Amino acid sequence: EVQLVESGGGLVQPGRSLRLSCAASGFSFDDSAMNWVRHVPGKGLEYVSFISWNSYSTGYADSVKGRFTISRDNAKNSLYLQMNSLRPDDTAVYYCVKSMGPLGPIESTGSYFDFWGQGALVTVSS
Amino acid sequence: SSELTQDPAVSVALGQTVRITCQGDSLRTYYASWYQQKPGRAPILVLYGNNNRPSGIPARFSASISGSTTSLIITGAQAEDEADYYCNSRDSSRNLVIFGGGTKLTVL
Repeated sequence: EVQLVESGGGLVQPGRSLRLSCAASGFSFDDSAMNWVRHVPGKGLEYVSFISWNSYSTGYADSVKGRFTISRDNAKNSLYLQMNSLRPDDTAVYYCVKSMGPLGPIESTGSYFDFWGQGALVTVSS
Repeated sequence: SSELTQDPAVSVALGQTVRITCQGDSLRTYYASWYQQKPGRAPILVLYGNNNRPSGIPARFSASISGSTTSLIITGAQAEDEADYYCNSRDSSRNLVIFGGGTKLTVL
């Protein structure tokens, strides 16, 4: 059974940092590109970032570029999102998401997200 | 960058057929995938590629594609289909993914 379990969410003041982690199990982690997608309650889904299976390729939404960094440790079956200079509009539930393929959006399966974690709530407020 | 446009809300009578549309230039080049999200729950994949359903998704869910528009079709909508539905695809100009704004489906 595929499992994606996020951790590290919480309440943080504007301008501070937070690191999300995602522990993956039940599939070949190093065969899959991984993503972060966020959901602001009452609003829609927003794509945040992706990383290819070997970490060679990454991408970021304009809204987080330069502030967030995605990384992975295939030896630990783990995905991370380092979030710096947090703003109130970063408040959302952050989902760890598995892509069907290894390379990310550049391949046809890159936008097919077949498994999602349960989400981690990040609240940015003073 | 590209955009995907969805109607904010759609309703359907129980047992009837409903079409939820997603429009964007990227869909002329890339297939979309569709996600169902119920309140307080993570999204789940219901359709991807050229009308493919993941294991466990009922056959009443299907997709159609025409030009820059893709549609999720529910044939014989059930009460449990009431949810928010999102489409996504690759951004046609960048190596990123984009989501539509979502459609709230109400089953009457």
